Amino acid sequence: NAGVTQTPKFRVLKTGQSMTLLCAQDMNHEYMYWYRQDPGMGLRLIHYSVGEGTTAKGEVPDGYNVSRLKKQNFLLGLESAAPSQTSVYFCASSYWGRVVGTGMNTEAFFGQGTRLTVV
Amino acid sequence: KNEVEQSPQNLTAQEGEFITINCSYSVGISALHWLQQHPGGGIVSLFMLSSGKKKHGRLIATINIQEKHSSLHITASHPRDSAVYICAVIVDSNYQLIWGAGTKLIIKP
Repeated sequence: NAGVTQTPKFRVLKTGQSMTLLCAQDMNHEYMYWYRQDPGMGLRLIHYSVGEGTTAKGEVPDGYNVSRLKKQNFLLGLESAAPSQTSVYFCASSYWGRVVGTGMNTEAFFGQGTRLTVV
Repeated sequence: KNEVEQSPQNLTAQEGEFITINCSYSVGISALHWLQQHPGGGIVSLFMLSSGKKKHGRLIATINIQEKHSSLHITASHPRDSAVYICAVIVDSNYQLIWGAGTKLIIKP
């Protein structure tokens, strides 16, 4: 049981290059999230998904796109990387109780992070 | 004003001390997370609370929904507890997560 797996773990991009970060979870979770973590700013939500085929903007969505074509995968894309996107990116997933109507809550599981540097 | 405030921002203590980290929030929530991030970067979910108290080993988390406040306690602290502890709330209207800025804890031997 791998939990939440992020790939790659490290990447260096040149300004203007594109890349895709992959988040995969094997827990059949409905909700998936992409966050970025910057020094002194905590975790900020980029985009999230409440189920296969759905995506929604978070707090800092500009410059990123996402897709959730399969329930287990949530992709984060940078079409034209900028130095301001240098950050550590975390993916998370959870199976919110509301989805199945219980009103109870469950844990969130995190990937190990992707350290991205844009030069 | 941030919707989730943690205090203190930084905390240094001696091994064995009782540690308390606080989290206050201003929105209606359905639950609250406490997470731990080690220097290596990985994030681990410690607790999710919607009421009362939870205990796991030397860690205790409490929440007071009426006062919009939660605390994370560490008993008999140890240097391996050194990490950043993050509070995050689940907003009850839209189920989004709002994160605190974290508390950096250093436990000295």
